[in-house]
Amino acid sequence: EDKVVQSPLSLVVHEGDTVTLNCSYEVTNFRSLLWYKQEKKAPTFLFMLTSSGIEKKSGRLSSILDKKELFSILNITATQTGDSAVYLCAVPKRWSGNQFYFGTGTSLTVIP
Amino acid sequence: NAGVTQTPKFQVLKTGQSMTLQCAQDMNHNSMYWYRQDPGMGLRLIYYSASEGTTDKGEVPNGYNVSRLNKREFSLRLESAAPSQTSVYFCASSESSGRSPYEQYFGPGTRLTVT
Repeated sequence: EDKVVQSPLSLVVHEGDTVTLNCSYEVTNFRSLLWYKQEKKAPTFLFMLTSSGIEKKSGRLSSILDKKELFSILNITATQTGDSAVYLCAVPKRWSGNQFYFGTGTSLTVIP
Repeated sequence: NAGVTQTPKFQVLKTGQSMTLQCAQDMNHNSMYWYRQDPGMGLRLIYYSASEGTTDKGEVPNGYNVSRLNKREFSLRLESAAPSQTSVYFCASSESSGRSPYEQYFGPGTRLTVT
């Protein structure tokens, strides 16, 4: 059965810390993995990692994809209170148009 | 651009009542989706519409119906609300073509409570 699992479920850190969030997957005919950030309301897109692009970076956020070991990590360096959110990963279902398997998310709280 | 908009933001229903959640997008996307999000369950797809004029069931369609009114609008209807439908509902939209996947753009959500 296809699945996407995120860990840890929640994390509390102090400002300035570096955090690593994990997303492991078992999905038939894997093509790509997406990361979203969800603050109080709608999830917003962060990165898409594909076979041809296994590392992405944007400011203090970076993500890598390990297709051999079937996981991705999202790193946030020098965390700020504005990084507090739920981080979701999603993997597209094969032969399903643009449907995704979503993980349950990691809730990150950054304390001043 | 407003992106994806949803109405209402909050709603309280009594068991058995009906209501329609409205969603509209102004990004000229072909595909639209309805999700529910419950604690510990992540986002679960209720229905989706790959293009105007088509709709298909997702993971948890029971108790819901949808209408793709035109390319911009995709509504979700609860015919007879049940407490198990208490949740946060998100509408989303995306491009779609043979070159998918594409990121989805989400609306702000509707918090629904059924008593």
